[in-house]
Amino acid sequence: AQSVTQPDIHITVSEGASLELRCNYSYGATPYLFWYVQSPGQGLQLLLKYFSGDTLVQGIKGFEAEFKRSQSSFNLRKPSVHWSDAAEYFCAVSYGQNFVFGPGTRLSVLP
Amino acid sequence: GAGVSQSPRYKVTKRGQDVALRCDPISGHVSLYWYRQALGQGPEFLTYFNYEAQQDKSGLPNDRFSAERPEGSISTLTIQRTEQRDSAMYRCASSPGTSGGVNTGELFFGEGSRLTVL
Repeated sequence: AQSVTQPDIHITVSEGASLELRCNYSYGATPYLFWYVQSPGQGLQLLLKYFSGDTLVQGIKGFEAEFKRSQSSFNLRKPSVHWSDAAEYFCAVSYGQNFVFGPGTRLSVLP
Repeated sequence: GAGVSQSPRYKVTKRGQDVALRCDPISGHVSLYWYRQALGQGPEFLTYFNYEAQQDKSGLPNDRFSAERPEGSISTLTIQRTEQRDSAMYRCASSPGTSGGVNTGELFFGEGSRLTVL
């Protein structure tokens, strides 16, 4: 069965530091991969997506993610974190017409 | 409206009562999804529609849960004889549709309906 894991439940970084959030998926065919962000009291918003081609994809708010087929990973990165990036981040995979979400990683940002 | 609208935003009900949660998707979006999200967890798939057809309801926990989208636009998720374990955030999302049988598009989420069963 398709599944998405996010090994880190909670990550704390200082403002201005770099960030990497991990995501691993289990899916037999070519995956379509997504990162969503959820701010408190808000719905989920798409940060970026990967379908094919260049394995490094750029998203909104300065985020990027790299697809590594050999590691079944799609890690999210940002070179310099801003206080407004504090939120919950969800990795997702699309198969057929459905989406499976990971459990999420909560990001806290220290001033 | 421009986005996905869900109502009510908050619903408190007593165990055994029926509840209906409404979702108004983005105009023209073909696909509509229902997810349930427990605190500290990712969204868990319940069911989805293409137009008015319910394509997959494998995520509905039991037969107390049902959903419809009779005219291919607004959808209602109904929970009968609610139980305390049904307490959660229920999220609706819509999407323009699929390409070649795969949804490669973005999901647009509403703000959710938080259900509390006492």
